[in-house]
Amino acid sequence: DQQVKQNSPSLSVQEGRISILNCDYTNSMFDYFLWYKKYPAEGPTFLISISSIKDKNEDGRFTVFLNKSAKHLSLHIVPSQPGDSAVYFCAASTSGTYKYIFGTGTRLKVLA
Amino acid sequence: ETGVTQTPRHLVMGMTNKKSLKCEQHLGHNAMYWYKQSAKKPLELMFVYSLEERVENNSVPSRFSPECPNSSHLFLHLHTLQPEDSALYLCASSQGRAGFQETQYFGPGTRLLVL
Repeated sequence: DQQVKQNSPSLSVQEGRISILNCDYTNSMFDYFLWYKKYPAEGPTFLISISSIKDKNEDGRFTVFLNKSAKHLSLHIVPSQPGDSAVYFCAASTSGTYKYIFGTGTRLKVLA
Repeated sequence: ETGVTQTPRHLVMGMTNKKSLKCEQHLGHNAMYWYKQSAKKPLELMFVYSLEERVENNSVPSRFSPECPNSSHLFLHLHTLQPEDSALYLCASSQGRAGFQETQYFGPGTRLLVL
């Protein structure tokens, strides 16, 4: 049973437009959520996180939204740039454990 | 060197070989992790060490044997692997605040092929 799901395996967006990547989870005990970006032949790079006490966190062009009632989070990238083309993973964890549960990733392609 | 480094970056081994993967973190963190990423699957946590003590062992076969001699170094010893063990092996580290909303930082991974 996959507790963290990214239902869109891929997404294409024009440069300058908004990219929205989605993630759903099933475990209501999760209280910390993260997004990672991964380029080919590299490890995942931390992008942004959000605690369950918040519903939004912003860092430059990246904003993460958390909807606890829907058990849904999303990553918005505005404006999208060709260098944002990568695979994006969401992850969730519960305080008191070291365990992250990862989604399967969404491949974002930003078209110039 | 900064961040989390892993060696080797690529490894090909036969099923009867013994090899080791090495991870080193230069972030002053106290927790280190091994993950496995197979094609089309999410990252799977294998082991977690906090202050050199193993705190997670995710039902990993005994042909994978971790070692954490100090908080900066982590090894994964491999022996009699199977072809289905071919995957990307990622190391990560975090501050080690007893698992409270930690952010993990990853190395570049070792691409392993078992023939």
